[in-house]
Amino acid sequence: ETGVTQTPRHLVMGMTNKKSLKCEQHLGHNAMYWYKQSAKKPLELMFVYNFKEQTENNSVPSRFSPECPNSSHLFLHLHTLQPEDSALYLCASSLQLEGDEQFFGPGTRLTVL
Amino acid sequence: GENVEQHPSTLSVQEGDSAVIKCTYSDSASNYFPWYKQELGKGPQLIIDIRSNVGEKKDQRIAVTLNKTAKHFSLHITETQPEDSAVYFCAASNPNSGYALNFGKGTSLLVTP
Repeated sequence: ETGVTQTPRHLVMGMTNKKSLKCEQHLGHNAMYWYKQSAKKPLELMFVYNFKEQTENNSVPSRFSPECPNSSHLFLHLHTLQPEDSALYLCASSLQLEGDEQFFGPGTRLTVL
Repeated sequence: GENVEQHPSTLSVQEGDSAVIKCTYSDSASNYFPWYKQELGKGPQLIIDIRSNVGEKKDQRIAVTLNKTAKHFSLHITETQPEDSAVYFCAASNPNSGYALNFGKGTSLLVTP
């Protein structure tokens, strides 16, 4: 266990559905991240939050909407996704942004039909 | 932006042999280089990291070397064991891009008994 939990672990949704991914860290960290992991591609950073403030949005389509209500919780709201959005979505946290170890959750395997 | 290249994409070794994975990066401002191991069904887990003020770091059977001039860093695993089989990712981080981790595409390591 890394101290970062993600729910659900698996999700199948249609293109017109709305769903949310949840991430929680029990490490007292201040920075949280969303990554997308697709086959044959490097992990892609999507969003970064530091002390609940979004510091990075890596040109992610607006059908992905993050929310960070506090330093321990991070959500990724999904709506009108495309089949190419099917991937493993990983949440991570670190004590601080600057060159610190990132602890990853197990991920949510998302399939968009 | 930063570009991290990782080779090889797959590596098969006999138990007890050594394994070497190499990465190059493009941004000379990068100063933090972690290596992550990802097992099936799990998120990536940090195994070793190195900062730009150090040329080599070792932790039991794992070592990382950094050549700042060549913008090249490598992971060395000695006396490999079947449980070392996993996907390994290198990454680079620099303050000019908000300390975001830029990952290589990964190396699938198989250690055969």
